[in-house]
Amino acid sequence: AQTVTQSQPEMSVQEAETVTLSCTYDTSESDYYLFWYKQPPSRQMILVIRQEAYKQQNATENRFSVNFQKAAKSFSLKISDSQLGDAAMYFCAYSLSYNTDKLIFGTGTRLQVFP
Amino acid sequence: GAVVSQHPSRVICKSGTSVKIECRSLDFQATTMFWYRQFPKQSLMLMATSNEGSKATYEQGVEKDKFLINHASLTLSTLTVTSAHPEDSSFYICSARADYTDTQYFGPGTRLTVL
Repeated sequence: AQTVTQSQPEMSVQEAETVTLSCTYDTSESDYYLFWYKQPPSRQMILVIRQEAYKQQNATENRFSVNFQKAAKSFSLKISDSQLGDAAMYFCAYSLSYNTDKLIFGTGTRLQVFP
Repeated sequence: GAVVSQHPSRVICKSGTSVKIECRSLDFQATTMFWYRQFPKQSLMLMATSNEGSKATYEQGVEKDKFLINHASLTLSTLTVTSAHPEDSSFYICSARADYTDTQYFGPGTRLTVL
């Protein structure tokens, strides 16, 4: 069974600095998708970034980038130039294939951003 | 962007009553919708996968007779919590997968409180 592990329950960063959130997963599949979702206090889940396992190039979206290490089954999220609005719960998620049948979420990391 | 709405956003009901939650994809068609449950300070747990025109697929441990799911059209899925009890109090979130992509877009969630 696939599992997703986020070992950092809480992280903090100062505004304008860089922070990295960790995520590891376990799967025996070779083709899958990985996601980072943000859940602010409003509870609305927002897609931050996604990575296809068959792509070697790490995904980037503006200030957000990932370090995808397929052999190590690691998928960390780097937030550069942190902003106060980045404060939220961040969930790492795994999905098996293109025909996504389910997302398996990690337990989340609460990110605090200090001015 | 893809928008998913949920109604109601909050509902309080008495024990033993039934509650219906609607999930709509506003600007795209969604053959597949998903229902998640999130307890306080916990991750999202998939309850069931809803496919338009067919029966929902429930995750292990989820009572299908208690959590009735109907996906009558390509833009609407409903979750009915039947004979609700206080332990059913939770945050229910739906998501929809647009037919043209493999990304799930989430609704804003519904907070259910059963007295």
